[in-house]
Formats: sequence, C-alpha cells, structure tokens
Amino acid sequence: AQSVTQLDSQVPVFEEAPVELRCNYSSSVSVYLFWYVQYPNQGLQLLLKYLSGSTLVKGINGFEAEFNKSQTSFHLRKPSVHISDTAEYFCAVSILTGGGNKLTFGTGTQLKVEL
Amino acid sequence: NAGVTQTPKFQVLKTGQSMTLQCAQDMNHEYMSWYRQDPGMGLRLIHYSVGAGITDQGEVPNGYNVSRSTTEDFPLRLLSAAPSQTSVYFCASSAGTGKESPLHFGNGTRLTVT
Repeated sequence: AQSVTQLDSQVPVFEEAPVELRCNYSSSVSVYLFWYVQYPNQGLQLLLKYLSGSTLVKGINGFEAEFNKSQTSFHLRKPSVHISDTAEYFCAVSILTGGGNKLTFGTGTQLKVEL
Repeated sequence: NAGVTQTPKFQVLKTGQSMTLQCAQDMNHEYMSWYRQDPGMGLRLIHYSVGAGITDQGEVPNGYNVSRSTTEDFPLRLLSAAPSQTSVYFCASSAGTGKESPLHFGNGTRLTVT
C-alpha cells in the first residue's frame, strides 16, 4: 500500500522569507502527486499536481513543487511567503492501479507566517 | 456555482444516536467520497462512489453507511454514534473517476459525540 510522510507538523516562517514543506511517499507502483491547502474552517483546495512530464510543477499563489523519483519526494516551495499563506498543507498520492480516485493523504504541515 | 455543499456544519450527538450527514454537488461529478480528519492523522477515506448506484469502502468504513441514489447526493449515515467518531467530516467530488482528477471539497461537518 502507498503512504505519504510529511516530516514537519509545524513550520514557522517570517513574512517574505522562503519556505519548503517536505513530503515523501512510498509506493510500489506509479503515482500521481498532489498538494492541497486548507484555510481555517474550510475544506481543502488544490494547490498543484504532478501527473507526468516536467518534474517542476507550478501551482496557485506562487507555490511550486518538484517531483524527485529517486528520492520519492515531492517538496513544496515558495520563494517569498505572505501572511495569507498561513494554513495547513497536505501532500497526497493517488496510485495508478485499482478502482476509484482514492487519495492517500499525509498528516499535514501547519505553516504559520509571522510578521 | 455552489460546488460541494455539506450540512449541517456542526452537530453534537449522544452515544448510540444515529444521524445522516448530507453532501450534495452541482458539478455533475461522477466520483464522490467521504473523509474524516483527525488531528495528527490527516484525512482518511471512509467510503466512496464512482457513480450513481455504486459505492465501496475506503480505509475506515466501520460504523458508517452510504448510498448513492442520484449523481448529486452522497449522504453518510452513522448508525450508532460512538465517541471515536468525533471528527471533522469532509465530502469531496471529482469529474470522472480518473486518478488525475483533483478533488473538490465541501467545508466540512464538525461532529462531536458525547
């Protein structure tokens, strides 16, 4: 079975500083990879996704992520964060076998942007 | 465009009570699913449906039932609530059943079982 590990439960960062949120996955088959963001008291929204092709994918709000197959990682980055980026971020994987669009989520990383 | 609508937003139940969490989407999505979110555990799949009349179990199905009589609606039933079912529940849908399709989430139902 596939699994997703988000190594940091909380990441504090100052406004305008760069940030990297780490995600590693394990799967014996090919996967699709996603990052979702959850603002307080809301559902999750898609930030970006990797399906195939270029390993560097760009998402909304200036975020990007790089797929590294050899390291089984899909880290999320932003060069300069804003207060409004404070939220919880979830990495998720979808395996290419079996039925249904079943995502496996990581445990989440709380990004707190401070002035 | 309302997207995915969940009701109620909050609910408090006593142990042993039953209730139904409602989920409706207006995007004509084939795929719908229910997740529960617990601190430190991320989101875990309860049940899912790939189309009207078809449902299947996810990772944590025990204590929950679902049905999919229409494309739009996917209610989640708690048969006999237990404190372990205290959680935030999210309904999600996607266009088609392809694994590349991103999920659209509702705003959640916060359930407390005492």
